Amino acid sequence: GAVVSQHPSRVICKSGTSVKIECRSLDFQATTMFWYRQFPKKSLMLMATSNEGSKATYEQGVEKDKFLINHASLTLSTLTVTSAHPEDSSFYICSARGRDIGGTEAFFGQGTRLTVV
Amino acid sequence: EDQVTQSPEALRLQEGESSSLNCSYTVSGLRGLFWYRQDPGKGPEFLFTLYSAGEEKEKERLKATLTKKESFLHITAPKPEDSATYLCAVQASGGSYIPTFGRGTSLIVHP
Repeated sequence: GAVVSQHPSRVICKSGTSVKIECRSLDFQATTMFWYRQFPKKSLMLMATSNEGSKATYEQGVEKDKFLINHASLTLSTLTVTSAHPEDSSFYICSARGRDIGGTEAFFGQGTRLTVV
Repeated sequence: EDQVTQSPEALRLQEGESSSLNCSYTVSGLRGLFWYRQDPGKGPEFLFTLYSAGEEKEKERLKATLTKKESFLHITAPKPEDSATYLCAVQASGGSYIPTFGRGTSLIVHP
C-alpha cells in the first residue's frame, strides 16, 4: 500500500513552453501533497504544500505564478512549470500523506527530471 | 525553527562492516521522525517512522532508534545493494504536517 505515482519520469521541453507533472496516490486518499525540488547532491527543497480543495501554500522565494499547483481531488495533484527556462531544469518530486494509511509519514513519487533546452 | 543535522555526510563501508548513521534534531515538539532511502534519480523510499524516545524499528539489515535528541540508523552486515542516500526528517507537533529534512548521508558499500 501507500503508492504514489508521478509522471512523467523525464521530460525535455523548449524554453518558453509549459510542462505539467502529475502526482497520483494510487491506493489512499491524499489529504496533503508536497512538491519538492532537488538539485544534484543536495537535499529536498520544499516548494509548496497543497491540501485537497484549497489553494497551495508556497514557500518563500517560490514564484506561484511560475509553478502552478492544483490539488483538485484526493488522489491527484499537478505541478505546471510555466514559461520554462533552462534554470528551471531540475529534479521535481511529489509526496503525499493521507488520512487512511496509518501514520503521519508522507510517501514519495518517483520524481521527474525536467530539462529545459 | 526545526533543525535536522545528519552525520556523517558520506560513509564508505566494506560489505559486512556494520555502522550507524546519526540524525540530530531540534524541534518544539516531536510528532514523528522519519527515515527514507533515496537511490540516484529516484524519489525517496519510506523506511521507518519513530514517534517517541526509546522506540526501535527494524527492517532486514536496518534498525532505527530514537532518543529525545537524536536518531540512529544502524546497518548490520551491509551489502552493496544498501548503497544509497539515507534521509532523516522530523515532523513537529501542531497543525502543519510539513517535514523538515536533513541533508542526508550518502552510503557506499564496497563488495
